[in-house]
Amino acid sequence: GAVVSQHPSWVICKSGTSVKIECRSLDFQATTMFWYRQFPKQSLMLMATSNEGSKATYEQGVEKDKFLINHASLTLSTLTVTSAHPEDSSFYICSARSGGLDKNIQYFGAGTRLSVL
Amino acid sequence: QKEVEQDPGPLSVPEGAIVSLNCTYSNSAFQYFMWYRQYSRKGPELLMYTYSSGNKEDGRFTAQVDKSSKYISLFIRDSQPSDSATYLCAMRLEGGGNKLTFGTGTQLKVEL
Repeated sequence: GAVVSQHPSWVICKSGTSVKIECRSLDFQATTMFWYRQFPKQSLMLMATSNEGSKATYEQGVEKDKFLINHASLTLSTLTVTSAHPEDSSFYICSARSGGLDKNIQYFGAGTRLSVL
Repeated sequence: QKEVEQDPGPLSVPEGAIVSLNCTYSNSAFQYFMWYRQYSRKGPELLMYTYSSGNKEDGRFTAQVDKSSKYISLFIRDSQPSDSATYLCAMRLEGGGNKLTFGTGTQLKVEL
């Protein structure tokens, strides 16, 4: 199956700092990438959808100025958590969708655990 | 009412047992159905993807979709300790912009 790489896998930061998370599709071109947030023992909640070269579409209740998403190329999307606070601590997961025959399938990265002190 | 309902478990079974995992949904417009496996602190891994009602088999895994009852299942035969994980069902609308709606996940433990 397709491979999606997410980096870093774990980050600890001080309150008020910004953190950037990268999501790369390694062996396919991702026309669309998705960013999810997952709290312990809960399901994935979609935060935003990004298409290469255009602005991300945010889900209701997600602050676009807080969670900056850039999808500059067909293989890379980044999520920046700006001025992070302890309540932003969570597990962030990206996924990517190709434009090929399996375009209905999302392939997920391994996730990034963010801990804000 | 949640759009997708899934029993969170945990579900404990002995090694070699047949496991049945299920999801129900309320929106009859869902057309694509997926099962993902997620190990602790890892991203979800796609196991099965189905579109039509009926069964789809892949190795020890069988996905079953009953659109008339709005009910999907994942069966695991000859379960192994390495199958211990959380299993998430996910579904998507036709032309729904590829947004997936997930169940809460069922935690499975396969014991020796």
